[in-house]
Amino acid sequence: GAVVSQHPSWVICKSGTSVKIECRSLDFQATTMFWYRQFPKQSLMLMATSNEGSKATYEQGVEKDKFLINHASLTLSTLTVTSAHPEDSSFYICSARGLAESSYNEQFFGPGTRLTVL
Amino acid sequence: AQKITQTQPGMFVQEKEAVTLDCTYDTSDPSYGLFWYKQPSSGEMIFLIYQGSYDQQNATEGRYSLNFQKARKSANLVISASQLGDSAMYFCAMNTGFQKLVFGTGTRLLVSP
Repeated sequence: GAVVSQHPSWVICKSGTSVKIECRSLDFQATTMFWYRQFPKQSLMLMATSNEGSKATYEQGVEKDKFLINHASLTLSTLTVTSAHPEDSSFYICSARGLAESSYNEQFFGPGTRLTVL
Repeated sequence: AQKITQTQPGMFVQEKEAVTLDCTYDTSDPSYGLFWYKQPSSGEMIFLIYQGSYDQQNATEGRYSLNFQKARKSANLVISASQLGDSAMYFCAMNTGFQKLVFGTGTRLLVSP
């Protein structure tokens, strides 16, 4: 159990376009989802935390207008990179956490999405 | 504030030998959790092992064990009988309460035949 999927697994887009990345919990209800960004040979940096039905909480330095996060259901969160630029090229990873009282109260990671902006 | 420190950017080990990856942490919260993840070149984060701050015994999961020394604030990962497939990046992470995970900078492990 505890499978988290991401779609797409990789995407190439032109500068100035927007890209949407989906994160789904397949076999449990994710009350909280996290979005991370990872540059080559670096660690994961938390971008934002989203709780189902409420606005995401962004980490310091992350532009909320550029990285739009929607967590409309207990199994789906989306990250939209708006007006993407080459410096947004990175590996984006989501994780999902279930209810505190459930057996899914830890973070389960998706396989990641590699974004390349030309 | 929470902080995780991994001082080994890279480690080499021969197949079938044991290796220890270091991790120290800093937090003022008495309740916390410590995690180790493996990230192969494919990028997925694979959960390896978990240690709670109140756990009396060191965690073990197959070939993985966590050497938890609370007074020293260290949570080193020990991999026994290394295999070629163990070559990957390894991240130590911590959370307090129900909060976000904080990751260390990672250690790249290379297992040679």
